[in-house]
Amino acid sequence: QVQLVQSGAEVKKPGASVKVSCKASGYTFTSYYMHWVRQAPGQGLEWMGIINPSGGSTSYAQKFQGRVTMTRDTSTSTVYMELSSLRSEDTAVYYCARGPYGSSSGFDYWGQGTLVTVSS
Amino acid sequence: QTVVTQEPSLTVSPGGTVTLTCASSTGAVTSGYYPNWFQQKPGQAPRALIYSTSNKHSWTPARFSGSLLGGKAALTLSGVQPEDEAEYYCLLYYGGALWVFGGGTKLTVL
Repeated sequence: QVQLVQSGAEVKKPGASVKVSCKASGYTFTSYYMHWVRQAPGQGLEWMGIINPSGGSTSYAQKFQGRVTMTRDTSTSTVYMELSSLRSEDTAVYYCARGPYGSSSGFDYWGQGTLVTVSS
Repeated sequence: QTVVTQEPSLTVSPGGTVTLTCASSTGAVTSGYYPNWFQQKPGQAPRALIYSTSNKHSWTPARFSGSLLGGKAALTLSGVQPEDEAEYYCLLYYGGALWVFGGGTKLTVL
């Protein structure tokens, strides 16, 4: 069965960076794009970007350009999302989600989420 | 700045029917926006319900359906159950791998 298992909660100081992992299993890792989505406390979902696990190409929402880096390790079927220059507004639950680049295929499986708290 | 708009809240009686909509600031939503719908309950990750306007996942209950309605994407729940009380989000595609979520609709079953 398809599973996306994310790394544990993080507490970071303003200005620091955080790297969240998402380990995939139960399917061919390089055959599906992976997205990152975040949700601030009490707020809605926000799409951050996408990575192609096959070639490593990425595309980021304009809001996060310059601060986010998405990478992958095909040997461990893991994608990573690193967010730098953290500020309090980055406190949120970060999710990985399997989904299409832009086609009729659907978003389907989600990770359990990783809480990132930014606090001095 | 592209904005996707959903009703902030809706209330429906058990057994009733309710339609949630999803509008784009760029104009009419068409099938080319590949509308996706998600359900999220408190403390849980979102769960995918509908993709590409009207396609259901294997786990999507039959009472959920998706469509295009009056220039918007729509999610209709028929025969609402108490367990359908949740937040619902739509997601639209804007080209160049850019996706944008709606603000969410809080559905109350009362």
